[in-house]
Amino acid sequence: GAGVSQSPSNKVTEKGKDVELRCDPISGHTALYWYRQRLGQGLEFLIYFQGNSAPDKSGLPSDRFSAERTGESVSTLTIQRTQQEDSAVYLCASSLSTGYNSPLHFGNGTRLTVT
Amino acid sequence: AQSVTQPDIHITVSEGASLELRCNYSYGATPYLFWYVQSPGQGLQLLLKYFSGDTLVQGIKGFEAEFKRSQSSFNLRKPSVHWSDAAEYFCAVGGFSGGYNKLIFGAGTRLAVHP
Repeated sequence: GAGVSQSPSNKVTEKGKDVELRCDPISGHTALYWYRQRLGQGLEFLIYFQGNSAPDKSGLPSDRFSAERTGESVSTLTIQRTQQEDSAVYLCASSLSTGYNSPLHFGNGTRLTVT
Repeated sequence: AQSVTQPDIHITVSEGASLELRCNYSYGATPYLFWYVQSPGQGLQLLLKYFSGDTLVQGIKGFEAEFKRSQSSFNLRKPSVHWSDAAEYFCAVGGFSGGYNKLIFGAGTRLAVHP
């Protein structure tokens, strides 16, 4: 079946502009995560959605970052007034549940470059 | 604070040689430990995980890892490396509030395989 789909795959934007990144999780997966991978670094947790519960936003680096999820489907990550330090690969992952037998399935990411 | 350290940024081995990738973690409670692999042009894939029980866990693609509480380590091993194993490997710890998949990742180890 289809995996986690992210769009666009690449995005170049000018400093100060807003960007929206999209994630389509695997159908039926109730949990959805956003991670950021800066060049040469490991992944940083950003935000997590589980069903209809309030999202865990504890990893968002600033109030310029926000994310939404419609039910158990598509999620969008929005970065307002982008800065050069926002340049990174943004990875979305979904899992069937939050149980320990529900591994993360990652998308291929959106590479964001802020010029 | 929780953290994951992968001391080796790059490792090069010859095809057929054995491999050990190091991972050390800092976490006050019983950790949930993971190894992910990121191959060129592909999304992150779970290799194996440890939650409890036998401290030697087997994963996909012939990999195994051993949890050593006394050393706070979870090193990844493979007895005979194949050229297709060239990739970046990430160790991660989870199990915090937000479920098993709210992970803290190490910075990764890039593996090159010589023919």
